[in-house]
Amino acid sequence: QKEVEQNSGPLSVPEGAIASLNCTYSDRGSQSFFWYRQYSGKSPELIMSIYSNGDKEDGRFTAQLNKASQYVSLLIRDSQPSDSATYLCAVNDLYGGSQGNLIFGKGTKLSVKP
Amino acid sequence: KAGVTQTPRYLIKTRGQQVTLSCSPISGHRSVSWYQQTPGQGLQFLFEYFSETQRNKGNFPGRFSGRQFSNSRSEMNVSTLELGDSALYLCASSQSTGTAKNIQYFGAGTRLSVL
Repeated sequence: QKEVEQNSGPLSVPEGAIASLNCTYSDRGSQSFFWYRQYSGKSPELIMSIYSNGDKEDGRFTAQLNKASQYVSLLIRDSQPSDSATYLCAVNDLYGGSQGNLIFGKGTKLSVKP
Repeated sequence: KAGVTQTPRYLIKTRGQQVTLSCSPISGHRSVSWYQQTPGQGLQFLFEYFSETQRNKGNFPGRFSGRQFSNSRSEMNVSTLELGDSALYLCASSQSTGTAKNIQYFGAGTRLSVL
């Protein structure tokens, strides 16, 4: 059973701080990794994708991937109250014969306090 | 460019009924995937369609089915509804680039309540 694990939180950080969200996955063959943000009552919105070991930065967001440790993280710098949402880690499952299957963690709820 | 469109946004049904949900992908996207989201189980993969063919299927009973039309629009059907089918049903479309970098974009979802 392929799994993606996340700490459910809630993770609470003060405004302006760095929020660190973590995710581990079970399938060593996984090749692509995604972070989605989901506001309450809304659908998931893609924030970052990462495919190679190391860091990938986009504005205030940095995704980090370590395939040897089967670990992917998301850092949010200068956190804002508008960042308060559930963050979903997703891993692409290639063994189903397509690229159309994402395996999701259950999400980490982030709360940024003003 | 219009995003993924799902209709209807909300549905209320009773046990034993059936329901059909619709999804129109982003223009040019040929792959449509469906997911079920519940508070307890999170987001779970239902099935994926590409060029009118089901290419992959998750671990759901046969009451859940789908299809894709030649214009890439997709429908999913749930027959003999059970209380546990109450969930947010999400459709995602992608270009299906044939690589691992395939990105899925989600529609707003259909919230189904089974009474």
